[in-house]
Amino acid sequence: KAGVTQTPRYLIKTRGQQVTLSCSPISGHRSVSWYQQTPGQGLQFLFEYFSETQRNKGNFPGRFSGRQFSNSRSEMNVSTLELGDSALYLCASSLGYGTISDEQYFGPGTRLTVT
Amino acid sequence: AQKVTQAQTEISVVEKEDVTLDCVYETRDTTYYLFWYKQPPSGELVFLIRRNSFDEQNEISGRYSWNFQKSTSSFNFTITASQVVDSAVYFCALSAPNNAGNMLTFGGGTRLMVKP
Repeated sequence: KAGVTQTPRYLIKTRGQQVTLSCSPISGHRSVSWYQQTPGQGLQFLFEYFSETQRNKGNFPGRFSGRQFSNSRSEMNVSTLELGDSALYLCASSLGYGTISDEQYFGPGTRLTVT
Repeated sequence: AQKVTQAQTEISVVEKEDVTLDCVYETRDTTYYLFWYKQPPSGELVFLIRRNSFDEQNEISGRYSWNFQKSTSSFNFTITASQVVDSAVYFCALSAPNNAGNMLTFGGGTRLMVKP
């Protein structure tokens, strides 16, 4: 069974630009969550999508948004990039039918560098 | 609000030594789940274990063992006879029902370096 895939793996953008990251979950998984990992703040939850609906949202500004498609693939978008958005963005998928107990399987991440 | 604390930011051991990674959590919920993940240099988080709040039995899986103590809100992870391949960053995480869905609250991580 293929794991969680994320594209692109690496990205360099300039301040003020916008970026879209993609995540394909494990086949059969309907929940996709996004996390930001930085040296200073660690791993922080961005949002979760289940059946094309945002089910949970972390404490991030509105510049961070996401969506999920009918095939469970998800994208996250960051508009008006800031230097502080440089991070490893991790996507995780799970079956999604449970709530707090689902095992989440993580992808390799997209490393975003903002210059 | 939930909080997970991993007080050890970095640990260095010599191969074959035993090492324990500490994890202390805070939550007001009576039902919750605790997790450990491993992050090798490649960046992908690898699931190691899940434990629910009603199951305080210790668990052993090969060289790995976990000690869950609700009385001290701790969920510690021990690697016996460490190997160089165990070098990674290890994260403890908590999931509790006052958030809908699958939100994980992570600790700051412990970087384990196993030297040959």
